[in-house]
Amino acid sequence: KAGVTQTPRYLIKTRGQQVTLSCSPISGHRSVSWYQQTPGQGLQFLFEYFSETQRNKGNFPGRFSGRQFSNSRSEMNVSTLELGDSALYLCASSPNSPYEQYFGPGTRLTVT
Amino acid sequence: DQQVKQNSPSLSVQEGRISILNCDYTNSMFDYFLWYKKYPAEGPTFLISISSIKDKNEDGRFTVFLNKSAKHLSLHIVPSQPGDSAVYFCAAIRSGAGSYQLTFGKGTKLSVIP
Repeated sequence: KAGVTQTPRYLIKTRGQQVTLSCSPISGHRSVSWYQQTPGQGLQFLFEYFSETQRNKGNFPGRFSGRQFSNSRSEMNVSTLELGDSALYLCASSPNSPYEQYFGPGTRLTVT
Repeated sequence: DQQVKQNSPSLSVQEGRISILNCDYTNSMFDYFLWYKKYPAEGPTFLISISSIKDKNEDGRFTVFLNKSAKHLSLHIVPSQPGDSAVYFCAAIRSGAGSYQLTFGKGTKLSVIP
């Protein structure tokens, strides 16, 4: 099976812009979670989607949003970008077990 | 408030010796713990896990120990190999909450010196 894929792998945006990141889970996996990794805060949970519904949400401002499509692919959107949003954004898919989460390679977002 | 802590940002070990990576947690509701390994430019990959009903889990060269009373777990790698050089993340989960939210430590960078 192909692994979790994320596009794009690298992205440079300007403060105030908005960005959309994409995640394609492993075939058959219906749960997709998103994480933000920064040097200062480590890996932090953003949200999790299952069957097109957001099931869990971390402590991030409303500028961070996501959605999931009927084929389980997920997108994450960040509006009004701030310099502090520069990070590696990771998505993880699961067949429906919290103990089995498979991570993609991440999207490196740089905000200038 | 950091609920999962890895107090050593880095660790260097000679090839063939034991690597011990430590992790502490504060939330007593966590009942399942996982270790992930991460190479540069790749996502974290699952290494080994342990349920709170156990105190030890072994998989080849990797063993995880859990001390619930101390809220402490450790990952032992024996013998250490150069290919083990990576960042290791400890993660915890509250399985009963029906949540997929993994709470991660900030990671420990392991360097295995040939």
